[in-house]
Amino acid sequence: DTEVTQTPKHLVMGMTNKKSLKCEQHMGHRAMYWYKQKAKKPPELMFVYSYEKLSINESVPSRFSPECPNSSLLNLHLHALQPEDSALYLCASSQERGGPADTQYFGPGTRLTVL
Amino acid sequence: AQSVTQLGSHVSVSEGALVLLRCNYSSSVPPYLFWYVQYPNQGLQLLLKYTSAATLVKGINGFEAEFKKSETSFHLTKPSAHMSDAAEYFCAVMEYGNKLVFGAGTILRVKS
Repeated sequence: DTEVTQTPKHLVMGMTNKKSLKCEQHMGHRAMYWYKQKAKKPPELMFVYSYEKLSINESVPSRFSPECPNSSLLNLHLHALQPEDSALYLCASSQERGGPADTQYFGPGTRLTVL
Repeated sequence: AQSVTQLGSHVSVSEGALVLLRCNYSSSVPPYLFWYVQYPNQGLQLLLKYTSAATLVKGINGFEAEFKKSETSFHLTKPSAHMSDAAEYFCAVMEYGNKLVFGAGTILRVKS
């Protein structure tokens, strides 16, 4: 099973709302990722968690707050977003065997629209 | 920093024709390279990856790619295109820290 699940599939929120995106995997992977993909653009890395610790933050604005409650779950808390934050948010996971060749498995994404 | 360049933002082929999607990399060290496919409104699916074990890499759905160090290329090919291959294809290189850096993507159109 190489499935990464993400909920919700679609999310519409106002600029004053607080919402969360959820990602889950049951492959025993110890690295999890958040990517942002704007329309007609490639995915861009936002955060990396390794063994439940934040290891990479690609200078993402603080209105995005990641959380890794356990090795299977990854959340992305959203607050005071801007319309330009509208995008497809992709979650991925990998085994984290310590090498650069770990395959990242992606979820289907959450389509976020900020009004 | 490592990077990849995908030549051609759109490629159109007839059903049954050869598919060739181009990717060139820039890296000061032996790279780890990946090809992913993304169908409309979906996530990314790994097609294949190069990790220095073999220069010709076979992937899923009949795709393969050849690593050519002399040309700094990792082009994706498939002998015979199917309608179901229509999608966007991303070449990516792995940076230190498990950071995947993607190319701009190539949209493949398959004509009947």
